[in-house]
Amino acid sequence: NAGVTQTPKFQVLKTGQSMTLQCAQDMNHEYMSWYRQDPGMGLRLIHYSVGAGITDQGEVPNGYNVSRSTTEDFPLRLELAAPSQTSVYFCASKSGGVADTQYFGPGTRLTVL
Amino acid sequence: GEDVEQSLFLSVREGDSSVINCTYTDSSSTYLYWYKQEPGAGLQLLTYIFSNMDMKQDQRLTVLLNKKDKHLSLRIADTQTGDSAIYFCAEASGGYNKLIFGAGTRLAVHP
Repeated sequence: NAGVTQTPKFQVLKTGQSMTLQCAQDMNHEYMSWYRQDPGMGLRLIHYSVGAGITDQGEVPNGYNVSRSTTEDFPLRLELAAPSQTSVYFCASKSGGVADTQYFGPGTRLTVL
Repeated sequence: GEDVEQSLFLSVREGDSSVINCTYTDSSSTYLYWYKQEPGAGLQLLTYIFSNMDMKQDQRLTVLLNKKDKHLSLRIADTQTGDSAIYFCAEASGGYNKLIFGAGTRLAVHP
């Protein structure tokens, strides 16, 4: 049981490039989400999904796209990377219900030059 | 909108108690959480408290909730060097699926 996995761990992009951050979980969780962590700001919700085929915007969705074709995977796509998207990105999942724990992946550190 | 605030830094001596404070604004929050983040790692849930509780104790951790003042605290008894990390307070918003995080309190434990 690997939990929540994220790839890559580190990535450097040039402005205008695109890439996909991968997230997968093997716990059969319905709910998955993406956060970004910036110094002094805590974690902010980008997008989330309550099940396969269903996604919704969080607090800071602009510049990011998501899809949820399977329960296991929840990729985050940056179409036109900008320096403002330099951050550490965390994926999380939980099974649902009121107090279920959110399990976080190890994070992807992205730098956009 | 919802907001969660924490002090950014706390330094304690090994063996002393640490108290990390948090204030939140959403009075409808049903659950409040404390997460721990060690360097280079993701967040790990430490504990949570339901809004109809005043206190929850779990081994060395004690969570106190003052719902009237919207104040949450985390007390770590007998703080050890392994407790050095960033601690995040979070409230569940919008049907328990969205977590609103504070900026995190960096706890430094010195001998």
